[in-house]
Amino acid sequence: DTGVSQNPRHKITKRGQNVTFRCDPISEHNRLYWYRQTLGQGPEFLTYFQNEAQLEKSRLLSDRFSAERPKGSFSTLEIQRTEQGDSAMYLCAARTSGGLTDTQYFGPGTRLTVL
Amino acid sequence: GESVGLHLPTLSVQEGDNSIINCAYSNSASDYFIWYKQESGKGPQFIIDIRSNMDKRQGQRVTVLLNKTVKHLSLQIAATQPGDSAVYFCAENSQWEAGGASYGKLTFGQGTILTVHP
Repeated sequence: DTGVSQNPRHKITKRGQNVTFRCDPISEHNRLYWYRQTLGQGPEFLTYFQNEAQLEKSRLLSDRFSAERPKGSFSTLEIQRTEQGDSAMYLCAARTSGGLTDTQYFGPGTRLTVL
Repeated sequence: GESVGLHLPTLSVQEGDNSIINCAYSNSASDYFIWYKQESGKGPQFIIDIRSNMDKRQGQRVTVLLNKTVKHLSLQIAATQPGDSAVYFCAENSQWEAGGASYGKLTFGQGTILTVHP
């Protein structure tokens, strides 16, 4: 158990619809990351939160994507007007500040299929 | 841009053999590397990490070697078991401070598929 849960695990939607994913890390994980992974590739960084502040966004995060972490605990990733190219596994990772390790612990991911 | 890549996309071994998975990285400024294991339909699972001030680190049945001269990272799995079958990724952690805030992200390689035959 990595202490990071994600919901839903699978999402099938039609092109043009909006979708929202949720990530719940344990309270000690004040740093939260979103990644996208397509088949056969490694995860690609999307965005990073330290507590409630979104400190970095990848150029992969188009205007249709928005992420929030309103209370510094759970986070949501929303995709508006989904496109078939958005089909991927969306992974959330989290870690604590300081300590002896910079390891990010991943959740199980949300598999998005856009028809 | 900077990238992390793997030499071999697939590796097949017999149960009980030792496995070696290789990774090349290009960001010489990175000071931390992680190996992850990912099984089908699951998120990446932490295996072992190493900082750039080390050249070797051992865990349970796994060893990570870091050669900064040639920017090469390897994961050795001893007595490989069928349960070790998965995709293995190396990742480079890039972290920096700016404006009093801390930033960081992982850059992953493409992955190596390890198949262990009983």
